[in-house]
Amino acid sequence: KQEVTQIPAALSVPEGENLVLNCSFTDSAIYNLQWFRQDPGKGLTSLLLIQSSQREQTSGRLNASLDKSSGRSTLYIAASQPGDSATYLCAVRPVETSGSRLTFGEGTQLTVNP
Amino acid sequence: DADVTQTPRNRITKTGKRIMLECSQTKGHDRMYWYRQDPGLGLRLIYYSFDVKDINKGEISDGYSVSRQAQAKFSLSLESAIPNQTALYFCATSDPGTPTNGYTFGSGTRLTVV
Repeated sequence: KQEVTQIPAALSVPEGENLVLNCSFTDSAIYNLQWFRQDPGKGLTSLLLIQSSQREQTSGRLNASLDKSSGRSTLYIAASQPGDSATYLCAVRPVETSGSRLTFGEGTQLTVNP
Repeated sequence: DADVTQTPRNRITKTGKRIMLECSQTKGHDRMYWYRQDPGLGLRLIYYSFDVKDINKGEISDGYSVSRQAQAKFSLSLESAIPNQTALYFCATSDPGTPTNGYTFGSGTRLTVV
């Protein structure tokens, strides 16, 4: 059974810092990995998706990497801003067999202080 | 308009009542999902549907039922609501035929059972 772990559970940084959020998964047979952002009481917004054959994806100040063999992904946020404050979730999608259900980590709650 | 729309956004109901949460999508995706989110437990899959005639139980389907009325509509019912079904519920869609497409989530329905 796939298990996804995110470390740290919470992170507080001053504005302007570069930071890294970590995600690890136990079964490397994944189809892709997706990072989401969730604002309090709100839905999930997709940030980046990395296919199993890719090493990284970039969007603006965000960069996500994937090391499938070691079961790890990182989300790098450059020059953090207070508006980046949210919970960040990673989710893995299994190789297409019986379905394409996501397994989520519990998230990292990020606070960026002005 | 949002790609995935959930109604209602918030609902308070009494124990024992029947309640339906609705989801509609304009993505044209065949696959739709219902998740619930609880603090400390992350997102867990309730039911999923690969097309109108295909409904599957997720990891926590007890106490819930679903109906796929059309490709674009997938509703979740609680036949007799109980307090431990208080949670944030999310509907999502995916398209396995497009590898670069991840999952798209609705904004969520916050359900409180008193």
